Amino acid sequence: DADVTQTPRNRITKTGKRIMLECSQTKGHDRMYWYRQDPGLGLRLIYYSFDVKDINKGEISDGYSVSRQAQAKFSLSLESAIPNQTALYFCATSWGSGSAGGTQYFGPGTRLTVL
Amino acid sequence: GENVEQHPSTLSVQEGDSAVIKCTYSDSASNYFPWYKQELGKRPQLIIDIRSNVGEKKDQRIAVTLNKTAKHFSLHITETQPEDSAVYFCAASKSTGGFKTIFGAGTRLFVKA
Repeated sequence: DADVTQTPRNRITKTGKRIMLECSQTKGHDRMYWYRQDPGLGLRLIYYSFDVKDINKGEISDGYSVSRQAQAKFSLSLESAIPNQTALYFCATSWGSGSAGGTQYFGPGTRLTVL
Repeated sequence: GENVEQHPSTLSVQEGDSAVIKCTYSDSASNYFPWYKQELGKRPQLIIDIRSNVGEKKDQRIAVTLNKTAKHFSLHITETQPEDSAVYFCAASKSTGGFKTIFGAGTRLFVKA
């Protein structure tokens, strides 16, 4: 779905480095989310934002921070990367209300490796 | 807290057979139940969804059923094909909570040719 984009698509970094993953959407959705997926596992919610002024922690927010720079942009930062943050990261968007509310549209993912 | 349980975690079927994946949810206020398919190396994508005002929805070989009393919903795939092989995630959310979504742990479906 080209309407939700993530940069970079792949990133290799070293322990202790600060990393930013970016997500942009052209769908006009108000909700944006960051998920983490480890091999063979499901989707775990890191942070979510219901609008530009509303940021909420998910189930695994420790070690991460986010910024909703605009309705269309939501970035995820790893303050000091550690090896167990090696994972596939997905951004997603959705409407928060209405007949189309709830359906999530995912970006292509960012594969992050922390050495 | 809110929870969605999904079973089985792995399912292997012969091509042409049916596959059924089941989910239960804990929040009785949940009223939107999507199913996502994630092919290897790809992003999850919606394949079918159901809202709580209906009990069943069908789209070609895929159907979803919802039992609100028992708080469970199921995905049914008929006449399975090798391209159905993927990980399937169920999810639940509620409109009063801004549709914050709780995902199941996923089911890896293998369709053997």
